[in-house]
Amino acid sequence: EAGVAQSPRYKIIEKRQSVAFWCNPISGHATLYWYQQILGQGPKLLIQFQNNGVVDDSQLPKDRFSAERLKGVDSTLKIQPAKLEDSAVYLCASSRTSGTTDTQYFGPGTRLTVL
Amino acid sequence: ELKVEQNPLFLSMQEGKNYTIYCNYSTTSDRLYWYRQDPGKSLESLFVLLSNGAVKQEGRLMASLDTKARLSTLHITAAVHDLSATYFCAVSGNYQLIWGAGTKLIIKP
Repeated sequence: EAGVAQSPRYKIIEKRQSVAFWCNPISGHATLYWYQQILGQGPKLLIQFQNNGVVDDSQLPKDRFSAERLKGVDSTLKIQPAKLEDSAVYLCASSRTSGTTDTQYFGPGTRLTVL
Repeated sequence: ELKVEQNPLFLSMQEGKNYTIYCNYSTTSDRLYWYRQDPGKSLESLFVLLSNGAVKQEGRLMASLDTKARLSTLHITAAVHDLSATYFCAVSGNYQLIWGAGTKLIIKP
């Protein structure tokens, strides 16, 4: 079974530029998550999708971050414009169902550096 | 608000020794996960603990859960270098996982 795929793996941009990340979850997984992991910290949930609907985006900085999950499969996370404090690893995860009843499986992450 | 604390945050130990990582959480929860993260890599699920007194073991790692004390432990027996990684606990709360800060474990030969 293929795991969660993410691209790109690394991205370096200057502040005020825009960037987009892509995620392809495990086949058949209804729920998709985007996390931000700052160096030395645990992951912080940004947004959770159930199929193509948003379940929780309470910690997403909506003035600069946006995410979508078209057709309930792939997802993109966009930052526009980027700030220095957005430097982090952005992790995508998926699970069979929503909530916390199923194990979340993580992709390799995208390491973003904002200069 | 659910809060999760891990300790220690950093642990350096010799091969062959035993040690325990602790994960405390502030409100009741129905499940707790342990994950492993190698440097520059993603998170790998190790254990899910569902009930009070639950114990799971895989190789040299054993995880347990005490829901009354709101405490989970991850015990390492006779550590080997391959277990060097950062270990996270994550607690189920309000339809999302709340994560600890992680314990960076370095095992020296």
